[in-house]
Amino acid sequence: AQKVTQAQTEISVVEKEDVTLDCVYETRDTTYYLFWYKQPPSGELVFLIRRNSFDEQNEISGRYSWNFQKSTSSFNFTITASQVVDSAVYFCALSGSSGGYQKVTFGTGTKLQVIP
Amino acid sequence: SQTIHQWPATLVQPVGSPLSLECTVEGTSNPNLYWYRQAAGRGLQLLFYSVGIGQISSEVPQNLSASRPQDRQFILSSKKLLLSDSGFYLCAWAGLASTDTQYFGPGTRLTVL
Repeated sequence: AQKVTQAQTEISVVEKEDVTLDCVYETRDTTYYLFWYKQPPSGELVFLIRRNSFDEQNEISGRYSWNFQKSTSSFNFTITASQVVDSAVYFCALSGSSGGYQKVTFGTGTKLQVIP
Repeated sequence: SQTIHQWPATLVQPVGSPLSLECTVEGTSNPNLYWYRQAAGRGLQLLFYSVGIGQISSEVPQNLSASRPQDRQFILSSKKLLLSDSGFYLCAWAGLASTDTQYFGPGTRLTVL
């Protein structure tokens, strides 16, 4: 069975601070994919990034960066110099081999509030 | 590019009334389609998925049903709504590979009174 744990339920930071959202996963699959989605107050889930289990290179996209470590089963997300527009709920997710459809397990989400 | 639509955006319905939520995808063929529900302040629960026309799989027993009458159309229905059906309903699409990314629609906020 797959499991995704986002232990931080809510985080508040002051604008321009850096913040890291934690994600720990469990899976027995050798090939799997990890995702981060952003859910702003409007509700739509916005896809941010996907990593496969064979690629442990960290990724940076503007102020966003992701740290994937198989040794600790973690896929953490860091926002540098946070902005008010970053306020949202962020979901980490895991997808494994399921034979024909994407069986995605979502974490419970971390609500980030960036205070101006 | 691909686009996913959901309607209505918001809906307020009395207990016992029927429900029909629609999801359509543009710009792709033979997508896998999904219905999720998100209760207030909670994570996402997969309700149904479909790998083709007329093929529906249910993840949890409940008061809802789904149908896929056309390749890019996915409908969520209920004959009689319960209070517990309130929530935010999200439709998603993905390609055929089991490793493809799911992309979500704007969602429908349903309140059952």
